[in-house]
Amino acid sequence: EAQVTQNPRYLITVTGKKLTVTCSQNMNHEYMSWYRQDPGLGLRQIYYSMNVEVTDKGDVPEGYKVSRKEKRNFPLILESPSPNQTSLYFCASSLLAGGWTDTQYFGPGTRLTVL
Amino acid sequence: GNSVTQMEGPVTLSEEAFLTINCTYTATGYPSLFWYVQYPGEGLQLLLKATKADDKGSNKGFEATYRKETTSFHLEKGSVQVSDSAVYFCALGGTSYGKLTFGQGTILTVHP
Repeated sequence: EAQVTQNPRYLITVTGKKLTVTCSQNMNHEYMSWYRQDPGLGLRQIYYSMNVEVTDKGDVPEGYKVSRKEKRNFPLILESPSPNQTSLYFCASSLLAGGWTDTQYFGPGTRLTVL
Repeated sequence: GNSVTQMEGPVTLSEEAFLTINCTYTATGYPSLFWYVQYPGEGLQLLLKATKADDKGSNKGFEATYRKETTSFHLEKGSVQVSDSAVYFCALGGTSYGKLTFGQGTILTVHP
């Protein structure tokens, strides 16, 4: 089954404790992206990657890191989480970067709480 | 910059009622427009899309027409079902590589 998977689905942590949220897709997509969803704000892009070893900042990159060492994986790293990073996080992928009509496929989401 | 504005929610309807969720956008160039739906506890999934002016996207009884003159992409369905209860997001794409700009989302609840 074609899908985007994320782990963990739920995470409660404390301020300053490094964490990684994994994202993997099995559709051979070139483009991958991370979004955060906050009430009243919709989804905002954190980082994106157009291909292996190519990443760039989205609208809200502060406090996050990413890497793209393999085509299928795009982990999101919070080196020193803070309470304002409490949010619902989605990974997404699409076939081709820059495709104006490309459908993006979303993972199930990771609900992160930073105490 | 690009932006998407959706009607204020939440929206509560009875089964078989007519649904409209308004969406307007601001963008440079020629964006593509999307409606995504998020069912409880799940990720977003594409509902429909339109890639140029006057295109109509449709799926599962939902429709939306890309109106360049009014910069709108309103979502409509003639007869909603309880199973349509979800959060609906209007989104704009195609003006920055791969990035989608989302509206704030509209919560729809349909009662039997």
